[in-house]
Amino acid sequence: DAKTTQPTSMDCAEGRAANLPCNHSTISGNEYVYWYRQIHSQGPQYIIHGLKNNETNEMASLIITEDRKSSTLILPHATLRDTAVYYCIVRVAENFNKFYFGSGTKLNVKP
Amino acid sequence: GAGVSQSPSNKVTEKGKDVELRCDPISGHTALYWYRQSLGQGLEFLIYFQGNSAPDKSGLPSDRFSAERTGGSVSTLTIQRTQQEDSAVYLCASSLVNRAYEQYFGPGTRLTVT
Repeated sequence: DAKTTQPTSMDCAEGRAANLPCNHSTISGNEYVYWYRQIHSQGPQYIIHGLKNNETNEMASLIITEDRKSSTLILPHATLRDTAVYYCIVRVAENFNKFYFGSGTKLNVKP
Repeated sequence: GAGVSQSPSNKVTEKGKDVELRCDPISGHTALYWYRQSLGQGLEFLIYFQGNSAPDKSGLPSDRFSAERTGGSVSTLTIQRTQQEDSAVYLCASSLVNRAYEQYFGPGTRLTVT
């Protein structure tokens, strides 16, 4: 699986957009980009995933660069409840029955 | 609807004792996963069940760890002769078989071995 690099922590003002970057320069053609988050003392929560096109759902948007070497998760209007650790994972679809999280980005949403 | 539930939420045990952790997946989810998360660490895969297929046990750290899933629903993770390094949060997740990327996690069981 491709290695991912994320900043350790980020701050965001409540109501503003949170843009969380992920570098995956060694990604291969059949690997997807997945994002999960983990709010303190809870289990991880799926957010969104994509292959090469930008994706949007009710939670977030995922922007993948044309060369697929990096991506950005966007929370359009961050709230205090979005404070969590955000994990970027790169896997081939067939191998998603078991995945490993790295250390992720701790997003602190401040009032 | 009801999410994934796990019990107990907290378990303190003495070194050398056996423990059983329980997971109730979301109804209709045929895939079930166990992970553990040590303090401040990422997630570590332990075992995966899918329907009636043989489980993928490749993540179990030692033969002291075992898991079963009865009737394709409830699962139990057993740790025998617990060691202090087993202290962690044990998380269970379930998913639809064709949406393994969208796993629904339970709240976890925090295991402390003294």
